[in-house]
Amino acid sequence: EIVLTQSPGTLSLSPGERATLSCRASQSVNNDYLVWYQQKPGQAPRLLIYGAFSRATGIPDRFSGSGSGTDFTLTISRLEPEDFAVYYCQQYGSSPLTFGGGTKVEIK
Amino acid sequence: EVQLVESGGGLVQPGRSLRLSCTGSGFTFGDYAMSWSRQAPGKGLEWVSFIRARAYGGTTEYAASVKGRFTISRDDSNNIAYLQMNSLETEDTAIYYCTRVRGQHLPGGAVYFDYWAQGTLVTVSS
Repeated sequence: EIVLTQSPGTLSLSPGERATLSCRASQSVNNDYLVWYQQKPGQAPRLLIYGAFSRATGIPDRFSGSGSGTDFTLTISRLEPEDFAVYYCQQYGSSPLTFGGGTKVEIK
Repeated sequence: EVQLVESGGGLVQPGRSLRLSCTGSGFTFGDYAMSWSRQAPGKGLEWVSFIRARAYGGTTEYAASVKGRFTISRDDSNNIAYLQMNSLETEDTAIYYCTRVRGQHLPGGAVYFDYWAQGTLVTVSS
């Protein structure tokens, strides 16, 4: 199965700053079938990005996804207070689907 | 508005069984695959199982950690997905999330999740 490694484990930033989160796969993700989720404390995850770069319905354009093959990135252009959360990547290019371990974006 | 509401969580002893239910509304339930994922306390996400729509054969997939112990099913007439969990282990303690699936038609056999329920806590302990 494909192992997804997210880095860094924790990102400490201030509102208004740019956040860059990495998701690296142990082998190439077929068709770049990778998604990103956001999870706030006590809440269920929410889909942000699918197909590596397509924003899900209602997701602000400050969230963008990029990358292909084994290296993928989620960028938050300017952090808003509500963006401080944990972010997970997940691949659906091959079975079984797998999640990364998460990156926590915390207020500096 | 898509809504997923779970029920059935609780405290159960190791070796016993529990059944979770997930009722969907705001979409044509029978057209979508449905899935369960879980999150152990303070840990990351783990996919558990999914079931395709009848149009895709209604076939099921399971994570290795639950295969042979858990069974997913669906009742499209009542818009409900179920997760029957048998031979529960302490390691199954987690918040269980019901999710709506996208990508059941894609090659590779894997999917992703566009809507998540609020989660129901399953605690396996003596």
